[in-house]
Amino acid sequence: EPEVTQTPSHQVTQMGQEVILRCVPISNHLYFYWYRQILGQKVEFLVSFYNNEISEKSEIFDDQFSVERPDGSNFTLKIRSTKLEDSAMYFCASRKTAGPGQFFGPGTRLTVL
Amino acid sequence: DQQVKQNSPSLSVQEGRISILNCDYTNSMFDYFLWYKKYPAEGPTFLISISSIKDKNEDGRFTVFLNKSAKHLSLHIVPSQPGDSAVYFCAASAGNTGFQKLVFGTGTRLLVSP
Repeated sequence: EPEVTQTPSHQVTQMGQEVILRCVPISNHLYFYWYRQILGQKVEFLVSFYNNEISEKSEIFDDQFSVERPDGSNFTLKIRSTKLEDSAMYFCASRKTAGPGQFFGPGTRLTVL
Repeated sequence: DQQVKQNSPSLSVQEGRISILNCDYTNSMFDYFLWYKKYPAEGPTFLISISSIKDKNEDGRFTVFLNKSAKHLSLHIVPSQPGDSAVYFCAASAGNTGFQKLVFGTGTRLLVSP
C-alpha cells in the first residue's frame, strides 16, 4: 500500500542553523501538508500546499519557514534559523482530490540544541 | 485555541469489551470529523470519518457517532483488542475541497489489557 515517507527520522541541530525536512507524498496525491507536535501537546497545522503554492498557513508558519516541491515528488519544509522552541515532531501529510482524510508520514523528530 | 477537545487523557479497557472515546468541538463551521490512531514513533493513521450530514458511520469494529446539536462525537471500538492500544486523536475540518487543514484534539491514550 502506498505511504508517505519522511527523512530523516531524527534531526539534531544547533540553534540558528538551517534545517530541511523531506517528505515524499503518495504519488497520485495533489494536496500536501505539514503539521508539528511539540512533546505532550496536540498536533498543530503548519501549512497546506496545492498546485505549487501555499493555500493556507498558520500563525506558527512565520518567515523562518518555507515549503517547496522541487521536483514533482519531494515536498520539503525548511526552517531558516532554528530556535529551541522548534523542537518537535514534524509530520508531512498528503491527500487525493477526493477522500475522507489526509495520510500522514512517520514524522521527523527535530531536536534543536 | 481549544476548538477540538478530548477531555479524557487516558482510558483502560479489558480485551473484548467496548472502548468509547469522546470528543467535543466548539466551531460550528466544522463539517467533517475524523479519528486517527497513533502508535509511538509513527505518524497518525486514519481510522474512520464522518460527515456532518450523518450521525453514524461504521467500519468493522469501529463506529463513529456524531451529535451535532451537542457538538459531540464518539468512537466506539467493539470488541477491543490489545493491538488497539494507542493514542486516538479526534480531528475536524471545515469544508471538504482538499485545502482544509485538520484541527486536532489532544488525544486519548487507550490501553486494552488482555
